[in-house]
Amino acid sequence: QQKVQQSPESLTVSEGAMASLNCTFSDGTSNNFRWYRQHSAKGLEVLVSIFSDGEKEEGRFTAHLNRANLHVSLHIREPQPSDSAVYLCAVSMGSNNRIFFGDGTQLVVKP
Amino acid sequence: NAGVIQTPRHKVTGKGQEATLWCEPISGHSAVFWYRQTIVQGLEFLTYFRNQAPIDDSGMPKERFSAQMPNQSHSTLKIQSTQPQDSAVYLCASRQGMANERLFFGHGTKLSVL
Repeated sequence: QQKVQQSPESLTVSEGAMASLNCTFSDGTSNNFRWYRQHSAKGLEVLVSIFSDGEKEEGRFTAHLNRANLHVSLHIREPQPSDSAVYLCAVSMGSNNRIFFGDGTQLVVKP
Repeated sequence: NAGVIQTPRHKVTGKGQEATLWCEPISGHSAVFWYRQTIVQGLEFLTYFRNQAPIDDSGMPKERFSAQMPNQSHSTLKIQSTQPQDSAVYLCASRQGMANERLFFGHGTKLSVL
């Protein structure tokens, strides 16, 4: 079973509408979570890092973590076409703190 | 589809030794990426090939690190004179074509430099 799963696989939203991405993980003792964006040929850009239950906001990006439910989400406020990209959830798990990634959500923001 | 295959899964080297990491991308994928992953830094981009040609190596340390893609079925990352700070998980990922398509990651090679 995959340790980190993201949903949906793809998401299309209109410009200005909230975009919500989900990530579930298998280890409730994890304490290191990041959302990345694959924006271009090079970039894995870190958007939000969150290390405890609750909410963490970085600009228009907000992560919500609920370890009891094995769930972390990313909400993008007022998305723009330039936010169209693949979003990756990364979770550090296990005694060696290996970082596991989800398969990504491809977000398309239509003007 | 076996996914992106990286070998070895774990490699332990002594300080000053050379380490070569291998990556076999998914068949038909034209883009191959290498990343380095640590708890502190997270995921760091190293280098990128498209159709076997090096496109961007701006993330590669200028000394001791080199990457090649001699054919479409594999890429290598070589670290000469390894240092303890090179210890990390090195991830390879491939992508089918367009820049906004998802990456498929290998499981990574955990390099430990003693």
